Amino acid sequence: AQSVTQLGSHVSVSEGALVLLRCNYSSSVPPYLFWYVQYPNQGLQLLLKYTTGATLVKGINGFEAEFKKSETSFHLTKPSAHMSDAAEYFCAVSDQRSGGGADGLTFGKGTHLIIQP
Amino acid sequence: DADVTQTPRNRITKTGKRIMLECSQTKGHDRMYWYRQDPGLGLRLIYYSFDVKDINKGEISDGYSVSRQAQAKFSLSLESAIPNQTALYFCATSDPLRFGYNEQFFGPGTRLTVL
Repeated sequence: AQSVTQLGSHVSVSEGALVLLRCNYSSSVPPYLFWYVQYPNQGLQLLLKYTTGATLVKGINGFEAEFKKSETSFHLTKPSAHMSDAAEYFCAVSDQRSGGGADGLTFGKGTHLIIQP
Repeated sequence: DADVTQTPRNRITKTGKRIMLECSQTKGHDRMYWYRQDPGLGLRLIYYSFDVKDINKGEISDGYSVSRQAQAKFSLSLESAIPNQTALYFCATSDPLRFGYNEQFFGPGTRLTVL
């Protein structure tokens, strides 16, 4: 069975500071990994994904994440936080079985990112 | 734009009432999903469907049922709503056979309150 752990239900950073949101996963087979963002009163939007190939992946709005197999991690970073980054962030995993994990994604519990002016 | 839509967006109901939440998609994806979101718990899978004849229970299916009326429509029903079903419900679609991985595309959500 897969699982995702997001460290910190709330993370607060100052505007312009580095954003680091942590995600660790467990999976018995090679994973596909995703970060989604949820802005207030909206649905989930894909930020970035790791499928195969380059382990450092870049997403929208200046975010990036690095897949580290040895650490079973997929932490999300952004060099300089902006007020508009305030949102809920979810890490999710599926596996690379045939069909790419057809039975849905396994989500972490989410991290609420707060940006201090 | 190809999209995932949900109706209603907000619903308040009373304990014991039957409720149906609807999801439609124009993405042409075969696979559809229902999740619920609770604060501090993330998203949890209720049901998923590979096509109109293939429906599967997810992690938390008790108290819910679904219907896949067509490739583009997937409805979630609460036969007798209870207060702990108060949550934000999301529909999602995917096409892993086309993309090679299970990226999911989400609707805007339905906020359900059971009094």
